[in-house]
Amino acid sequence: EAQVTQNPRYLITVTGKKLTVTCSQNMNHEYMSWYRQDPGLGLRQIYYSMNVEVTDKGDVPEGYKVSRKEKRNFPLILESPSPNQTSLYFCASSSDWNQPQHFGDGTRLSIL
Amino acid sequence: QKEVEQDPGPLSVPEGAIVSLNCTYSNSAFQYFMWYRQYSRKGPELLMYTYSSGNKEDGRFTAQVDKSSKYISLFIRDSQPSDSATYLCAMPHTINSGGSNYKLTFGKGTLLTVNP
Repeated sequence: EAQVTQNPRYLITVTGKKLTVTCSQNMNHEYMSWYRQDPGLGLRQIYYSMNVEVTDKGDVPEGYKVSRKEKRNFPLILESPSPNQTSLYFCASSSDWNQPQHFGDGTRLSIL
Repeated sequence: QKEVEQDPGPLSVPEGAIVSLNCTYSNSAFQYFMWYRQYSRKGPELLMYTYSSGNKEDGRFTAQVDKSSKYISLFIRDSQPSDSATYLCAMPHTINSGGSNYKLTFGKGTLLTVNP
């Protein structure tokens, strides 16, 4: 089954404690992306990757890091999380930047 | 002016109604248009994808694009309670003339409730 898998699905943590949200896709897609979804602001792109070792900033990259060492994986790293990063996060992948994206089921992060 | 504008609703209709959802956009360079449906506690899933003006139909869903007016619509015929969800328009595009920086911009979504 084609899918994008995110882990964890839920996380409550404290300010400053580094965390990583993993994302893996099984569709051999070139393009992967991270979004955050906030009430009243909708879905906003954090970072994207066109291929292995190629990443670029989206609309709201501050406070986040990503890496793309393998085609299937695209982890999101919060080096020093802050409460304003409390949000619902989605990872997505597609065959190319202008093609429909497949989304994971989301990770709800709460930073206290 | 925001790149993509979408009325957040909420929109509540009786079962069987025809639903019309709309987005406007400001950048005439946008060429690709998508509609996603998002159920509560789930990720968005693609409903329709089009890249030309005119209509595209898939079952009870019709996507309409008017590039001259920078306006897109999604129509749902014979709406069902299972159609209750948030509907998001989305437009992938490049953000510099060299075409090397890519972005997917979403509308804020319209919450639809179909009442039995």
